[in-house]
Amino acid sequence: SQQGEEDPQALSIQEGENATMNCSYKTSINNLQWYRQNSGRGLVHLILIRSNEREKHSGRLRVTLDTSKKSSSLLITASRAADTASYFCATARSSNTGKLIFGQGTTLQVKP
Amino acid sequence: DGGITQSPKYLFRKEGQNVTLSCEQNLNHDAMYWYRQDPGQGLRLIYYSQIVNDFQKGDIAEGYSVSREKKESFPLTVTSAQKNPTAFYLCASSYTGTGIQPQHFGDGTRLSIL
Repeated sequence: SQQGEEDPQALSIQEGENATMNCSYKTSINNLQWYRQNSGRGLVHLILIRSNEREKHSGRLRVTLDTSKKSSSLLITASRAADTASYFCATARSSNTGKLIFGQGTTLQVKP
Repeated sequence: DGGITQSPKYLFRKEGQNVTLSCEQNLNHDAMYWYRQDPGQGLRLIYYSQIVNDFQKGDIAEGYSVSREKKESFPLTVTSAQKNPTAFYLCASSYTGTGIQPQHFGDGTRLSIL
């Protein structure tokens, strides 16, 4: 079964608004990663947060990690139409097997 | 520019036929992965290779086979034993196979049944 569960499954907002996506997972992790997928394309890595980190920023992206609740959130500020895509969280387990477990994703639509 | 190249972009399989999907990377990465993505779903791991000449089954390996004879190449064969092969197949690589670095993805191959 999938390790990561994402919420909401779909999100529609206006350009300029903020978008927040949440991810929950079940087992202990080494790190959690967020990826973006444009329609019909491969995934693009956005940000990696390690289990000993609580918050990380990259441009308009802000990721938080709460290991006690086994959850993470991705915030996109001042969204643009070009942010329209599916967003996936993926967890790497503490055992460092190299395997990532992906959630089912959140589909974000940003309306111009 | 370094990256991952998957070919072909679209592939059609006849009943009883084996087909091979190509994945080549020039990133000098040790680890490579194959995922399957069904509509509206996340990615499921088919096979992965942490180093050349070695590979392991992922969560849904039945009906698939791989080889890793060169560091740059990790082809996936969808055999006739895979009864529901219609899906979007994604290849990825990472610097090592420990899971502590991000994965880089190709642009996928969409496989359909004729």
